[in-house]
Amino acid sequence: SAVISQKPSRDICQRGTSLTIQCQVDSQVTMMFWYRQQPGQSLTLIATANQGSEATYESGFVIDKFPISRPNLTFSTLTVSNMSPEDSSIYLCSVSPAGGLGFTDTQYFGPGTRLTVL
Amino acid sequence: AQSVSQHNHHVILSEAASLELGCNYSYGGTVNLFWYVQYPGQHLQLLLKYFSGDPLVKGIKGFEAEFIKSKFSFNLRKPSVQWSDTAEYFCAVTDLGQGGKLIFGQGTELSVKP
Repeated sequence: SAVISQKPSRDICQRGTSLTIQCQVDSQVTMMFWYRQQPGQSLTLIATANQGSEATYESGFVIDKFPISRPNLTFSTLTVSNMSPEDSSIYLCSVSPAGGLGFTDTQYFGPGTRLTVL
Repeated sequence: AQSVSQHNHHVILSEAASLELGCNYSYGGTVNLFWYVQYPGQHLQLLLKYFSGDPLVKGIKGFEAEFIKSKFSFNLRKPSVQWSDTAEYFCAVTDLGQGGKLIFGQGTELSVKP
């Protein structure tokens, strides 16, 4: 498995502002993923972040709202832009460490970032 | 739309009771199946997984799950729960023929009374 850390662990933000969430992994991985877990709901995939290429976004999520960076094989950031109260969620990153198999292998999750937007 | 269904939103059991949490998925092709657990205040952890082979898989902490392909099910079981099993349990499926995204069920909150 991989050890994943996220910063910040939680934050309270004002509407209209942006927050960048960092995800750090203790080993090099090809694919990293960003999920959202809205209150009382399950996890929803936001996007897949591959090193050296643009992130691939799922239906309902757009780059202008959730820009992602993936500068190297151990780090990624997700920015939640122009926030509204509806963005209040837990944001999680995950990795699939085994040889770049990505979706076909086990994903391991970070501790999450709990975001509250006022 | 492809989906994963967990039948029970909240399950309350007494210690030593047996547990079975239902999970059904709607994909028709080859799938990988997972159960994740989220203990209070902790992050999501892998409980067990099925890729191929023996459809009865054993995970950590005495949990097991059975893949029944004909029923599109992957139910989680434990013969005797403990108070420390109190957590939220998520079933997740990747459909290898459809890009393989990990799709989560809605989760089942398990409360075990001491």
